[in-house]
Amino acid sequence: QVQLQESGPGLVKPSGTLSLTCAVSSGSISSSNWWSWVRQPPGKGLEWIGEISHSGSSNYNPSLKSRVTMSVDKSKNQFSLNLSSVTAADTAVYYCARQWGSHGFDYWGQGTLVAVSS
Amino acid sequence: EIVLTQSPGTLSLSPGERATLSCRASQSVSYNYLAWYQQKPGQAPRLLIYSASSRATGIPDRFSGSGSGTDFTLTISRLEPEDFAVYSCQQYGSSPRTFGQGTKVEIK
Repeated sequence: QVQLQESGPGLVKPSGTLSLTCAVSSGSISSSNWWSWVRQPPGKGLEWIGEISHSGSSNYNPSLKSRVTMSVDKSKNQFSLNLSSVTAADTAVYYCARQWGSHGFDYWGQGTLVAVSS
Repeated sequence: EIVLTQSPGTLSLSPGERATLSCRASQSVSYNYLAWYQQKPGQAPRLLIYSASSRATGIPDRFSGSGSGTDFTLTISRLEPEDFAVYSCQQYGSSPRTFGQGTKVEIK
């Protein structure tokens, strides 16, 4: 079955850029509709950040749109998230997930905690 | 943006009891693309129900989803010890995708 694994720094300085990568294994990134990033601040609910298709089309949450960039690397079977100008409010567990058509978000990475602190 | 409101915030029940969780949308969910997820501490969300009423692969039949338009329900027919967790609904029929704030099902 498809596996997703997030990677990236666990600590980012305020005003810096948070950069994460999601590696997809046991499946091709080209075989699904959309690949998403979702975050969850400590003790709070889930927030959708945005999504990217294997062809590079993207949709972002309007609340974060000015700071978010996503990209896909088909040769490495992975996709990435950049979130700029971070503050303490961006501290969260970041998940990558696959949206498979009408089936919702069926596969998720284990999540990675990113703290924003000096 | 579609706002999803879940109720109740916390549900205190005993094993073997029936759990009924509600998710109300601020506007109609396109294609009834409404999903339910289960999340335990320190774990990623797990897809239970998609398209409002279809069970995901491997999900026990004690979990069922119903509803359409703006009102959706997740029912757990008889709670097992491993079912005590947080449940979140999500609409993915329009952008931005949005989640409810979650319902915690705790042991009474």
